[in-house]
Amino acid sequence: AQSVTQLDSQVPVFEEAPVELRCNYSSSVSVYLFWYVQYPNQGLQLLLKYLSGSTLVKGINGFEAEFNKSQTSFHLRKPSVHISDTAEYFCAVSDLGYNQGGKLIFGQGTELSVKP
Amino acid sequence: EAGVAQSPRYKIIEKRQSVAFWCNPISGHATLYWYQQILGQGPKLLIQFQNNGVVDDSQLPKDRFSAERLKGVDSTLKIQPAKLEDSAVYLCASSPTPALEQYFGPGTRLTVT
Repeated sequence: AQSVTQLDSQVPVFEEAPVELRCNYSSSVSVYLFWYVQYPNQGLQLLLKYLSGSTLVKGINGFEAEFNKSQTSFHLRKPSVHISDTAEYFCAVSDLGYNQGGKLIFGQGTELSVKP
Repeated sequence: EAGVAQSPRYKIIEKRQSVAFWCNPISGHATLYWYQQILGQGPKLLIQFQNNGVVDDSQLPKDRFSAERLKGVDSTLKIQPAKLEDSAVYLCASSPTPALEQYFGPGTRLTVT
């Protein structure tokens, strides 16, 4: 069965510092990987996705993530964060196995708190 | 392009009452999902529709939850009767095709007292 583990529930960081939000997944088949961001009282917004091809994917708002198949990881990074990046971040996996239907399995979320 | 619409945004009910949520997906999106997000957790899929047919409802508590997607467009999710543990945000998402990115609505925050 698929599962997603976000290794940090909370990440405090100062403005303009780099940040990495860690995500590991388990799956027996090929997967698509996603990072979503959720601002307070809002739905989820797609940051970036890995479907195939280059293992380094770039998303919106200066975020990027690297797919590492051998380590089954998909860590999210940003070289310099802003106050406005304060939000909850979710890693998700979609199993490409037969009859999976594209269901997303989400991690528990990482709360990024950017301090001035 | 208009996003996924949901209503109401907030709802407070007493336990054992019933409640319904409405979702209008992005135009042309055949796949529609309902997720339950309990505070402090990631969203959990309740039900997935492909057009007006159910693809996956394995995690839907069918003794109290029901959902339909008439004509393959709008969808409603109903809870009857509600329990305290149903307090959560209910998110609707749509996708042009399964397995690709999903677009989420703002959610409905349900409080059961």
